[in-house]
Amino acid sequence: GDSVTQMEGPVTLSEEAFLTINCTYTATGYPSLFWYVQYPGEGLQLLLKATKADDKGSNKGFEATYRKETTSFHLEKGSVQVSDSAVYFCALWVSGTYKYIFGTGTRLKVLA
Amino acid sequence: SQTIHQWPATLVQPVGSPLSLECTVEGTSNPNLYWYRQAAGRGLQLLFYSVGIGQISSEVPQNLSASRPQDRQFILSSKKLLLSDSGFYLCAWSVKGGNQPQHFGDGTRLSIL
Repeated sequence: GDSVTQMEGPVTLSEEAFLTINCTYTATGYPSLFWYVQYPGEGLQLLLKATKADDKGSNKGFEATYRKETTSFHLEKGSVQVSDSAVYFCALWVSGTYKYIFGTGTRLKVLA
Repeated sequence: SQTIHQWPATLVQPVGSPLSLECTVEGTSNPNLYWYRQAAGRGLQLLFYSVGIGQISSEVPQNLSASRPQDRQFILSSKKLLLSDSGFYLCAWSVKGGNQPQHFGDGTRLSIL
């Protein structure tokens, strides 16, 4: 079935370090891919999206490229800030369904 | 612009009591609506989704139920809460046709005593 696999957290980085959070997926159709961010005690906020192969989503310095050949959608940021500390979720929507599949989330902690 | 409202933000209930959580969406019509539960430090578990008024699909058999009495209103209910019902409940909506993200409410923190 359809699934999303994220790297285990927590990920702890120093401020201004480079961030990569890995996400790979399995889907039978043509999925759209998303990254969401969740701050403590809040709902999920859409961070970026990509709807077809080779699309690059970007927002607030974060980027992710839809790689169909490796079925991946890794999240990257060149220089993290303390305010980026949150839980990050990778998700996909598969055409022909009403459902979204979420990864288990990766907690990021950025130290000053 | 579209907004989604969930209430209450926090709720403390005794075991065996009833539950009603409400979610409303503004600024869009005929959305798909969803209820998720998130256990502490865990991912999202889809509980129910709805593609229209009165149309509810259940993903996990349990003592919870959902209803959609109006186009932009989605209610999560229980007649008798269990300790295992504790968690963070999130409502979300999306446009029909897919290819678009879900949009989430701020969540309800439910604690069962």
